[in-house]
Amino acid sequence: SQTIHQWPATLVQPVGSPLSLECTVEGTSNPNLYWYRQAAGRGLQLLFYSVGIGQISSEVPQNLSASRPQDRQFILSSKKLLLSDSGFYLCAWSPDSSSPLHFGNGTRLTVT
Amino acid sequence: AQSVTQPDIHITVSEGASLELRCNYSYGATPYLFWYVQSPGQGLQLLLKYFSGDTLVQGIKGFEAEFKRSQSSFNLRKPSVHWSDAAEYFCAVGAPSNYQLIWGAGTKLIIKP
Repeated sequence: SQTIHQWPATLVQPVGSPLSLECTVEGTSNPNLYWYRQAAGRGLQLLFYSVGIGQISSEVPQNLSASRPQDRQFILSSKKLLLSDSGFYLCAWSPDSSSPLHFGNGTRLTVT
Repeated sequence: AQSVTQPDIHITVSEGASLELRCNYSYGATPYLFWYVQSPGQGLQLLLKYFSGDTLVQGIKGFEAEFKRSQSSFNLRKPSVHWSDAAEYFCAVGAPSNYQLIWGAGTKLIIKP
């Protein structure tokens, strides 16, 4: 069966520091991969999605970037964090664009 | 404009009572519809989905939802809630080959003992 791992679960970082959140999927190949950010009371905002290695689509301009160095690995990064980057970040995968998403357990990022 | 509205931010229900969570959408194409549940500090879990066919769909944990095209609604129901159902519930709408799901803001379900 397929599983998705996301880490770390929580992270506290100072403003201006770099960020790297990692997500890996097991038990499937060539998944679609997604990074979402969740703000309280505002639902989910799609940040990036990827349909293959090295293929990244950005949905909103921001201080963040994403990379997919391997088929089942998706990384969310920032060179310099802003206070506004605080939030709950969720990685998800799906076998294709018409299938439901499967989410990781999320990372709570607090920028201080 | 495409949108999903969950009119109730919070709903409080007594344990054992029935539940209905509302979801209304505005979407140009024939939609795919989803309900997800999120426990505090956790990721989202798929409860059920509607792609086509029978408009009453069954999901996990005893939940069901009914797609009503004329009302642009996809309400989630459960006949008898359990304390473990306390969580936040999200409705989402999408379309085939469209990576961008449209999400509602969520409804937080509180269970009274």
